[in-house]
Amino acid sequence: GAGVSQTPSNKVTEKGKYVELRCDPISGHTALYWYRQSLGQGPEFLIYFQGTGAADDSGLPNDRFFAVRPEGSVSTLKIQRTERGDSAVYLCASSLTRGGGTYNEQFFGPGTRLTVL
Amino acid sequence: GQSLEQPSEVTAVEGAIVQINCTYQTSGFYGLSWYQQHDGGAPTFLSYNALDGLEETGRFSSFLSRSDSYGYLLLQELQMKDSASYFCAVPSGSARQLTFGSGTQLTVLP
Repeated sequence: GAGVSQTPSNKVTEKGKYVELRCDPISGHTALYWYRQSLGQGPEFLIYFQGTGAADDSGLPNDRFFAVRPEGSVSTLKIQRTERGDSAVYLCASSLTRGGGTYNEQFFGPGTRLTVL
Repeated sequence: GQSLEQPSEVTAVEGAIVQINCTYQTSGFYGLSWYQQHDGGAPTFLSYNALDGLEETGRFSSFLSRSDSYGYLLLQELQMKDSASYFCAVPSGSARQLTFGSGTQLTVLP
């Protein structure tokens, strides 16, 4: 079956603009995570959805960041008034259940590389 | 909070064995995961240790010592395709979100 997909693969925008990043998780996966990865670093947690609700948004850096998952499948990460410091790869991951079950396995998408000029 | 330490770079030759260490400090511990990430690619799951000991999956093995807050990933019979970044990670919080180390860049030389 298909893995986690993310669109666009690359996004270049100007400082101050609004962007939306989309994630299509693996079908049937109820848990969905967004992470952000800066160059040379590991991914950092942003937000977690269980079904349609944002169960944990403690990783969002500020109120310019927002995410939705209205039907419990596709999720969109929204960034308002982008800043140069927002430039990073935004990764989405999904799992059957919270944490990925017995083996804590999360399935990652290839990410969206966001560049803010 | 959680913090994980791992070496930034490791270099080895094809056919060799390499060990990537990871030490962690966590408030609450569920287990230690390892992920592989090729340049420009998605992190992919390699292994998870919840209990002390060695878990073997083909050429890759992972070890955990909870008393030492320490684990390692062992890669045997290295191949060129193993050149990638390797991350240790721990699940935490109500969401079991992953906290990652900074990654170890493995370069396999011919």
